[in-house]
Amino acid sequence: DTGVSQDPRHKITKRGQNVTFRCDPISEHNRLYWYRQTLGQGPEFLTYFQNEAQLEKSRLLSDRFSAERPKGSFSTLEIQRTEQGDSAMYLCASSLGGTGGIRDRAFFGQGTRLTVV
Amino acid sequence: AQKVTQAQTEISVVEKEDVTLDCVYETRDTTYYLFWYKQPPSGELVFLIRRNSFDEQNEISGRYSWNFQKSTSSFNFTITASQVVDSAVYFCALRETSGSRLTFGEGTQLTVNP
Repeated sequence: DTGVSQDPRHKITKRGQNVTFRCDPISEHNRLYWYRQTLGQGPEFLTYFQNEAQLEKSRLLSDRFSAERPKGSFSTLEIQRTEQGDSAMYLCASSLGGTGGIRDRAFFGQGTRLTVV
Repeated sequence: AQKVTQAQTEISVVEKEDVTLDCVYETRDTTYYLFWYKQPPSGELVFLIRRNSFDEQNEISGRYSWNFQKSTSSFNFTITASQVVDSAVYFCALRETSGSRLTFGEGTQLTVNP
C-alpha cells in the first residue's frame, strides 16, 4: 500500500502526558498537512509543510503543539501536556504541490484517534 | 475568510433513491477550488472531485454528478440510484488560491437503507 500512513491508529493518554504521532506521506509528495477532526465536525487545518519547511500554522495550533518534517519525508506532531479538549482524530494528508489536476489533490491517511482521559 | 456550509447534518434514504447533498461556500478570492470528499466509517477521507472556480460546467461520473453555480456560491452533489455502500459522511471543501489549506464544511451523514 503506497498511501499515506499514520501511526498509531489509536492513542489513549492521561491528561498532562505528552504524545507524538507520526505520518508517512506518499513518497514523491512535497506537501504535507495536519488536520484535526472532532466528533461530528469537519477536519480543521492545523499546519502544512512544503518539503521540510513549515509554511503555515493555524491559530488552533497552540504552543503545546509542535510539528516537524525532518528531511522533507515523514512528519511528527507532538502535543505536550495534553488536555481533554485535545481528544480528536488527527489526520495527515499529502499532495504533490502546485496547481492543476492531480498535483492539487490531497490524499489523506486514516488518522490517529487520540483520547485524553 | 473562507467558509463552507453543509446545512444537512443527516440524510436517510432508501436504496435506489436519488439524493442531493448541498454545499454553500463563502470566499473573497476570485479564483478558488472546490472539493468533495467521502469519509467511510474507516475514517480515511476519499477524494471524489476537484472543481476550479473558472469551470462552471457540471460534471458526471457514473452515479455521481456535481452542480456548480457560482451565482449562488453552491456546489451540490447528487448520487443517483443510491446504494448501501454510499453510506458515509460527505464533506465539501474549499481551497483559495492564496493558500494551501482546505476549509471543510461540517459534513453530511448519508445513510442508505436497503
